Amino acid sequence: IAGITQAPTSQILAAGRRMTLRCTQDMRHNAMYWYRQDLGLGLRLIHYSNTAGTTGKGEVPDGYSVSRANTDDFPLTLASAVPSQTSVYFCASSRTSEAPDTQYFGPGTRLTVL
Amino acid sequence: GQNIDQPTEMTATEGAIVQINCTYQTSGFNGLFWYQQHAGEAPTFLSYNVLDGLEEKGRFSSFLSRSKGYSYLLLKELQMKDSASYLCAVRDSNYQLIWGAGTKLIIKP
Repeated sequence: IAGITQAPTSQILAAGRRMTLRCTQDMRHNAMYWYRQDLGLGLRLIHYSNTAGTTGKGEVPDGYSVSRANTDDFPLTLASAVPSQTSVYFCASSRTSEAPDTQYFGPGTRLTVL
Repeated sequence: GQNIDQPTEMTATEGAIVQINCTYQTSGFNGLFWYQQHAGEAPTFLSYNVLDGLEEKGRFSSFLSRSKGYSYLLLKELQMKDSASYLCAVRDSNYQLIWGAGTKLIIKP
């Protein structure tokens, strides 16, 4: 692996179903992030983790949960999907959570909730 | 509240110069980033400014004025591959990135 990978690439999900989006990085970055991107809006932070074992809430955390059991993996779970969670989800990582460290993005997961 | 403003869309001609503006109001300031995002792809880093002034990197330059809450991205010698969205983001006092909605740049031959 080189960089950040996300799975699945895309998914169509029935409302009420549980879904986990996977994110793995091999850069040994301490900080990881989950964003959603909707048309006409900027990237919005869902949850973040400054280091393995810790997580924090971003701007739009409701309906989502995360865990950070190790440095490489940062899965995002939708416990009971709703149509408003239809979006493109990007995972990102950075060496640390402080400036000027750049965030590197995964290829994204396009999720449709019907 | 926190706010990042950018024009929604701009059009320019191949070979020309274009300036994309970004104004911000955030709780604290710990640097400003510009990212490029081609349609259907992930954002990729272009530039970072934390002090006032101009940062030049090849055909791309980025300017920052902290007192005015203002930045611009300057793209010279435009190429068709520069057609993309350009995202401005500010790192606030909590070290979280606040993102603008992006400027879609259309390059015409």
